[in-house]
Amino acid sequence: AQSVTQLGSHVSVSEGALVLLRCNYSSSVPPYLFWYVQYPNQGLQLLLKYTTGATLVKGINGFEAEFKKSETSFHLTKPSAHMSDAAEYFCAVSRGSTGGFKTIFGAGTRLFVKA
Amino acid sequence: DTAVSQTPKYLVTQMGNDKSIKCEQNLGHDTMYWYKQDSKKFLKIMFSYNNKELIINETVPNRFSPKSPDKAHLNLHINSLELGDSAVYFCASSQETGRAFFGPGTRLTVL
Repeated sequence: AQSVTQLGSHVSVSEGALVLLRCNYSSSVPPYLFWYVQYPNQGLQLLLKYTTGATLVKGINGFEAEFKKSETSFHLTKPSAHMSDAAEYFCAVSRGSTGGFKTIFGAGTRLFVKA
Repeated sequence: DTAVSQTPKYLVTQMGNDKSIKCEQNLGHDTMYWYKQDSKKFLKIMFSYNNKELIINETVPNRFSPKSPDKAHLNLHINSLELGDSAVYFCASSQETGRAFFGPGTRLTVL
């Protein structure tokens, strides 16, 4: 079985500070890993994804994440937070199975950015 | 062009009623999903359909039933609505890479 754990339901940073959102996963086979962002009253949008290849993945809006197999982690970072980054962030793991893929989401982390 | 669309966007109804939410995707994906997002923003997968066959059925009440008339559509029917069903329901679709494309969500409020 696969699962996703996001450490910290709320993270607060100052504008211009480093953003670090933590995600750990468990999967019996190499998974595909994703970060999604949800702005207020909107659906989910893909930030970035890891499938194979380079373990450091760059996404939109200056975000990046590093896949560390030994730590079963896929933490999301951004060097300098912007007010517009305030949103809910979801880590997700997807694994193929007979007939299709199943995507499981973490509980989400709400990012607050202070002026 | 909208990739995944849902209707209605908002749905307010009384307890005990039966309602449906429609979902359509124009991406040609083989797999479609329904997710429930509760008030704490936790996303839980409810159903997954592949090529018109239910392949994953999570432990949701049997009052919820997915209906897929064709590969591009996956509708969600809910019978005998309860207060606890109030949530935002997201439809999604995916292909081989596993990346899910989400609809805008349907906010269901049961009074």
